[in-house]
Amino acid sequence: RKEVEQDPGPFNVPEGATVAFNCTYSNSASQSFFWYRQDCRKEPKLLMSVYSSGNEDGRFTAQLNRASQYISLLIRDSKLSDSATYLCVVNGDSSYKLIFGSGTRLLVRP
Amino acid sequence: DADVTQTPRNRITKTGKRIMLECSQTKGHDRMYWYRQDPGLGLRLIYYSFDVKDINKGEISDGYSVSRQAQAKFSLSLESAIPNQTALYFCATSAGGGPHTDTQYFGPGTRLTVL
Repeated sequence: RKEVEQDPGPFNVPEGATVAFNCTYSNSASQSFFWYRQDCRKEPKLLMSVYSSGNEDGRFTAQLNRASQYISLLIRDSKLSDSATYLCVVNGDSSYKLIFGSGTRLLVRP
Repeated sequence: DADVTQTPRNRITKTGKRIMLECSQTKGHDRMYWYRQDPGLGLRLIYYSFDVKDINKGEISDGYSVSRQAQAKFSLSLESAIPNQTALYFCATSAGGGPHTDTQYFGPGTRLTVL
């Protein structure tokens, strides 16, 4: 079983749609959770950290469910510019060691 | 100017050649990392360094070596390149601190092809 699992997609949605991605992780001792965004052939960039109580940043909402060991990302009112691959990232056995999921690809169409 | 730079951006080489990938940062971070990314797989950690005198192996260090020449510079070497080292390589930096604050910042990547 992979340490961090994501549905690779692609998720193909129209502009303005709401879309949600889930990610599961295997290490119950993980303490840090993040969503990174990666555009084609570019470097990953931090989208948002995920806190236990859930957090929101504009159109983006992240949730953490420790009991079920999954993280979610909700994107409201999708824009064409949201088209990218979204990487779920979890820390491993210490804060520095990040485990990356293979990513979920999102395509937003006009 | 970019905070984390990598050179070269693209490289094609032959099996058995020695290759060095370089990373420089102006963020003033102590921690630096090297990852590789393969299609369909997540980024995997090759080596990491918490300061100039600290070098640690990641999960896939075989066939690679690193050098931390200064706080701002971290190089990755492939002593004898092989085709399955064809991948996209990323350098990253972080400032340390608690788990929620140790955000990693990535360079633009080096696309390496080993023929």
